[in-house]
Amino acid sequence: AQTVTQSQPEMSVQEAETVTLSCTYDTSESDYYLFWYKQPPSRQMILVIRQEAYKQQNATENRFSVNFQKAAKSFSLKISDSQLGDAAMYFCAYRGAQGAQKLVFGQGTRLTINP
Amino acid sequence: DTGVSQNPRHKITKRGQNVTFRCDPISEHNRLYWYRQTLGQGPEFLTYFQNEAQLEKSRLLSDRFSAERPKGSFSTLEIQRTEQGDSAMYLCASGTNYGYTFGSGTRLTVV
Repeated sequence: AQTVTQSQPEMSVQEAETVTLSCTYDTSESDYYLFWYKQPPSRQMILVIRQEAYKQQNATENRFSVNFQKAAKSFSLKISDSQLGDAAMYFCAYRGAQGAQKLVFGQGTRLTINP
Repeated sequence: DTGVSQNPRHKITKRGQNVTFRCDPISEHNRLYWYRQTLGQGPEFLTYFQNEAQLEKSRLLSDRFSAERPKGSFSTLEIQRTEQGDSAMYLCASGTNYGYTFGSGTRLTVV
């Protein structure tokens, strides 16, 4: 079974600074997708960024970028120019390319932005 | 397209009662998922529908839980004889092969 591990329960960063959230995963599949989701206190899970495992190029979405190391099974999220609205729980998630394609989530990292 | 809608937002029930939650997915999405999220944890998969067919169920889904998606549209999740351990956020997500959209969830409290 696939597993996702987020080893940082909490992180904090000064507004306008850069922060990196860590994620590792375990799978025997060769084709899969990785995601970072944000869950603000209002609780709706919002997709931040998506990475296809077959793509070597790291995904970027404005201030958000990932460092995808397939051999190491590592998938970290970098948030540049942190803003107060970035404060939330961040979940790393894995999705296989076959079958139910359900998301397997990590335990989450609570990100605090200090003004 | 108003996103994924879940009702009710909150439900407080007494132990032993039955509860039913509803999820209205985005209309063109054929995949629908239910997840359970307890405080401070990531969501855990419960069950998956492809159109109206329930194709996978987690072993977390005991006999007291049942889910339906009639005609491949909205879905319901019913919990019979609720227990205190059922207290959690129940999330619904719908999507296509590209990605999934989550609803705001139903928070269940069993007292």
